[in-house]
Amino acid sequence: GIQVEQSPPDLILQEGANSTLRCNFSDSVNNLQWFHQNPWGQLINLFYIPSGTKQNGRLSATTVATERYSLLYISSSQTTDSGVYFCAAAYNFNKFYFGSGTKLNVKP
Amino acid sequence: GAGVSQSPRYKVAKRGQDVALRCDPISGHVSLFWYQQALGQGPEFLTYFQNEAQLDKSGLPSDRFFAERPEGSVSTLKIQRTQQEDSAVYLCASSPVGQAYEQYFGPGTRLTVT
Repeated sequence: GIQVEQSPPDLILQEGANSTLRCNFSDSVNNLQWFHQNPWGQLINLFYIPSGTKQNGRLSATTVATERYSLLYISSSQTTDSGVYFCAAAYNFNKFYFGSGTKLNVKP
Repeated sequence: GAGVSQSPRYKVAKRGQDVALRCDPISGHVSLFWYQQALGQGPEFLTYFQNEAQLDKSGLPSDRFFAERPEGSVSTLKIQRTQQEDSAVYLCASSPVGQAYEQYFGPGTRLTVT
């Protein structure tokens, strides 16, 4: 299977700060996604980004497929950004391999 | 519209009991996935359906785990003779035709085996 490693495992930010989360994956993949799991456990799909760069509001993501990593940028963080961010990779659209996540705590 | 729903939200079972976890996907979604999430870990793939066909069950940890989706909509994950290591959150996700990257997750069922 695909090994997915995320860093850092834990991150504490002051509200308004920016951050970068990293995801390394061990194989060539056709599918790379970022998810946010809120404190109530709900997983929300943030980006489908097997390559290139996408932006959605204060969040953006970049995947460099040839170097097997993806970055998630959070700008002007808010307390509602708290939770766990997961990266998931797949060879196709069926079997996803998740990393262990980055736990983000944004303090007011 | 309604999202993916799962029931029960919480389940406590005594070791050795059988449990059944239900997933109601978004109406019309062809693909359905089950994941197991242990505390502090990322979700782990269990199985995948396209309509009623179970196309991949490679993630099911043992033959005590069984999933079905007989009419291509509602799915049930059954765990027989539960063990303590089965304690986890079980997540269900569904996605529409041709857009499997848009996975919509349910709230999960937290199973505790005592």
